Amino acid sequence: DIQMTQSPSSLSASVGDRVTITCRASQGISNSLAWYQQKPGKAPKLLLYAASRLESGVPSRFSGSGSGTDYTLTISSLQPEDFATYYCQQYYSTPWYTFGQGTKLEIK
Amino acid sequence: EVQLVESGGGLVQPGGSLRLSCAASGFTFSSYWMSWVRQAPGKGLEWVANIKQDGSEKYYVDSVKGRFTISRDNAKNSLYLQMNSLRAEDTAVYYCARVGGSYPTFDYWGQGTLVTVSS
Repeated sequence: DIQMTQSPSSLSASVGDRVTITCRASQGISNSLAWYQQKPGKAPKLLLYAASRLESGVPSRFSGSGSGTDYTLTISSLQPEDFATYYCQQYYSTPWYTFGQGTKLEIK
Repeated sequence: EVQLVESGGGLVQPGGSLRLSCAASGFTFSSYWMSWVRQAPGKGLEWVANIKQDGSEKYYVDSVKGRFTISRDNAKNSLYLQMNSLRAEDTAVYYCARVGGSYPTFDYWGQGTLVTVSS
């Protein structure tokens, strides 16, 4: 099984800050990585896929990068609506999928 | 507009059974893989099961194999999850999710239905 490890588990930041969340896979996943945003009481929302491709309608302040086992999600300038929990998900081993444990982004 | 609406959650005793349903609309249901993803209270996301467009292939996370069965009815645009031998650790919000056509990500999600396993 491919394990996904996110860091940090939680993060405090201010509006306007640039933040980066990291996701590490237990083996290479060839950019087969998606990022989701989840707000309390809501379903997750797909933000990026193929490590760096922005889903339609997602603001351009969100970006992704990485290769091999290490990937990052960057929010260039935090907006109030960005405070949420973020999950990475690998689909390299499709049709079996695994998520990271999540990173909670809180207001400082 | 793509819509996924889950139903069937509730309180069930350990060892009991429950059947979840997901009604799909706004897209050609029979053209997509579909999945169930769950989230225990205060915890992260866990993929549970997948089913191919025609139902010929089904895959499960190890923790539910032999207890849960995913199925679909393309004529009714509906996805199901039959859950048997339920355990306390199955307590979670269960989401129905569409697997994207070009990349196997979860591109649309339902609102979720809560399953509570407790005596």
